[in-house]
Amino acid sequence: NAGVTQTPKFQVLKTGQSMTLQCAQDMNHNSMYWYRQDPGMGLRLIYYSASEGTTDKGEVPNGYNVSRLNKREFSLRLESAAPSQTSVYFCASMDRSGANVLTFGAGSRLTVL
Amino acid sequence: GQSLEQPSEVTAVEGAIVQINCTYQTSGFYGLSWYQQHDGGAPTFLSYNALDGLEETGRFSSFLSRSDSYGYLLLQELQMKDSASYFCAVKWEGGSYIPTFGRGTSLIVHP
Repeated sequence: NAGVTQTPKFQVLKTGQSMTLQCAQDMNHNSMYWYRQDPGMGLRLIYYSASEGTTDKGEVPNGYNVSRLNKREFSLRLESAAPSQTSVYFCASMDRSGANVLTFGAGSRLTVL
Repeated sequence: GQSLEQPSEVTAVEGAIVQINCTYQTSGFYGLSWYQQHDGGAPTFLSYNALDGLEETGRFSSFLSRSDSYGYLLLQELQMKDSASYFCAVKWEGGSYIPTFGRGTSLIVHP
């Protein structure tokens, strides 16, 4: 089925470890986004990529890096994980025609000990 | 910057009508969207308003007043499966189209 695929679904890290969250979409969307969701905080934008080859910071970029590998793939990297990065991470892509609907992946639940 | 305000929680009974309000402050406003998220799931798109007025999609309707920077989601004939979190999101242009979300409203539907 067409959509956004995120891996891994669950991950436990120790403080200081690094990891990369992978995201791929097969809807030919130009724009892709990484959000984090914490209880009571809604969805906060970490980084986004308006098109292949471009990336920009969102509301909460500190401690993260991103790579827009090609039109399909947009990865999020934690270089040195901290407990404050314990969260649920959602990747999304957007159709920029009409209603500009965001399609989300299933989410990646990350715990940093 | 952008800010959105919506109630943290709303409760209602099955079969009733409930309205979830959203007020926003943003520059470069393009439109207001609504998303639904069940516990443990991903947000899914419900509706989008770019112009003033009411948009109806089945049991759900969404309203926008650009002059008041205000919108709402109206859910009719509530069902237990409507228990979920509902997020309003503004689309604004900060160089690119950037969706910014409110903190969400938890809707609890009682039998």
